[in-house]
Amino acid sequence: DVKVTQSSRYLVKRTGEKVFLECVQDMDHENMFWYRQDPGLGLRLIYFSYDVKMKEKGDIPEGYSVSREKKERFSLILESASTNQTSMYLCASSLHRGVNTEAFFGQGTRLTVV
Amino acid sequence: AQKITQTQPGMFVQEKEAVTLDCTYDTSDPSYGLFWYKQPSSGEMIFLIYQGSYDQQNATEGRYSLNFQKARKSANLVISASQLGDSAMYFCAMRDRQAGTALIFGKGTTLSVSS
Repeated sequence: DVKVTQSSRYLVKRTGEKVFLECVQDMDHENMFWYRQDPGLGLRLIYFSYDVKMKEKGDIPEGYSVSREKKERFSLILESASTNQTSMYLCASSLHRGVNTEAFFGQGTRLTVV
Repeated sequence: AQKITQTQPGMFVQEKEAVTLDCTYDTSDPSYGLFWYKQPSSGEMIFLIYQGSYDQQNATEGRYSLNFQKARKSANLVISASQLGDSAMYFCAMRDRQAGTALIFGKGTTLSVSS
C-alpha cells in the first residue's frame, strides 16, 4: 500500500526555534510537496521537489526552506519559527508530472508556535 | 493563473439524500486533471475521484460522481445516498502543465450529514 509518513502528528515549538518537519514516502515517487492548511484558506503550496536536490517555490515559500537529499525524504524547515506559522502542514507525493497523477498525503503535522 | 473556486463554505444534508458540492476552475491549458479529496476530522486526505480534461464521460466511483461541464469550467462532486460517515471537508483540486507537478486546491467545503 502507498504510504506517506510525517514524523510528528503534533508539535509545539517556541518562537525563534529552528523547526524540522520530516516526510518519507515508500513508493519511489518522483515528486514531493509541502502544503500548509489554514481554516478558510484551503491548502496552499509552500515548496515542491521533482527530483533529488531539486526544489521549486510554491505560493507561500517565505519563512520556509526544504531539503531533499534522498528520493524518499522531503524535509520542511522553519528557519526561525514565528506564531503566524502555527498551522497544519501536509506532505504529499506523486509518481510523476502527468496531469492525471493523484497525490498521496501524509497524516499531517499540527504545529503550534508559542 | 490557475485557480480553483469552491463557493460553499458549508453544506448540510440529510442521510440518504444526494448532495452536490460546487467547484469551478480556471486554466488556459487544454490539458488538465481535476481531483476531489475528502478530509475527515482525523486530518488525512483521501482521494475520491479524478476527471481528465479530455475524458468524454463523467467520472464515477461508487457513490461519487463528477458532473464535468467543460464549457462552464465546472467540476461538481455529486454524492448520492449520503451517509453519516460522509461528514468531512471536501477539496477540489487541479493539476495542469503550467502548474508543473503540483496540485492547486480550492478552499474546501464542509459537509455535515445528519440522521
